[in-house]
Amino acid sequence: EPEVTQTPSHQVTQMGQEVILRCVPISNHLYFYWYRQILGQKVEFLVSFYNNEISEKSEIFDDQFSVERPDGSNFTLKIRSTKLEDSAMYFCASMGTGGEADTQYFGPGTRLTVL
Amino acid sequence: AQSVTQPDIHITVSEGASLELRCNYSYGATPYLFWYVQSPGQGLQLLLKYFSGDTLVQGIKGFEAEFKRSQSSFNLRKPSVHWSDAAEYFCAVGPYSSASKIIFGSGTRLSIRP
Repeated sequence: EPEVTQTPSHQVTQMGQEVILRCVPISNHLYFYWYRQILGQKVEFLVSFYNNEISEKSEIFDDQFSVERPDGSNFTLKIRSTKLEDSAMYFCASMGTGGEADTQYFGPGTRLTVL
Repeated sequence: AQSVTQPDIHITVSEGASLELRCNYSYGATPYLFWYVQSPGQGLQLLLKYFSGDTLVQGIKGFEAEFKRSQSSFNLRKPSVHWSDAAEYFCAVGPYSSASKIIFGSGTRLSIRP
């Protein structure tokens, strides 16, 4: 069964460093998302992406964040200068079209720890 | 404002017992409702979803949920839990719109007593 994959599973970085979290969505999906979950808190929406541009973003998704689909398979989230409060589990999700245009499928997550 | 409330942070049930996890939502339009499960070290797996039609929906792993518009609820049930059901369960709501975000509840952690 197709699934969303994410790498790395755990990333440790120093405050102020740049990180790139990578996701491989399900191959025929066209809608892509990033969510995050700070320990003990809700899963929060960050950004959605379609047709090579951002469709929607939350107030969390400020100028320090960017997303990119550099090739036909990867979808990345970059944090330019990490802060302590960026420590969280980051989930990538993708969604198809037609009959599949109603369900977001999630990856296993990347745990980001900022020291 | 759009929101999802899961009033139970942690529930413990005995193996073989029945289970009901509560979910209430606040949403302006007709909602699209989901239950996701997260096992330790795993991603969010979709258990079931509801948009319209029969208000009792069946999902994977023997779970079902009932949509009650009058109560703004979408409670998850299972008649007999197994030790492997121990996980975090998230209720979520979204619009019937392709690219839109979904909003999650805070989750209910389920523990199973042997």
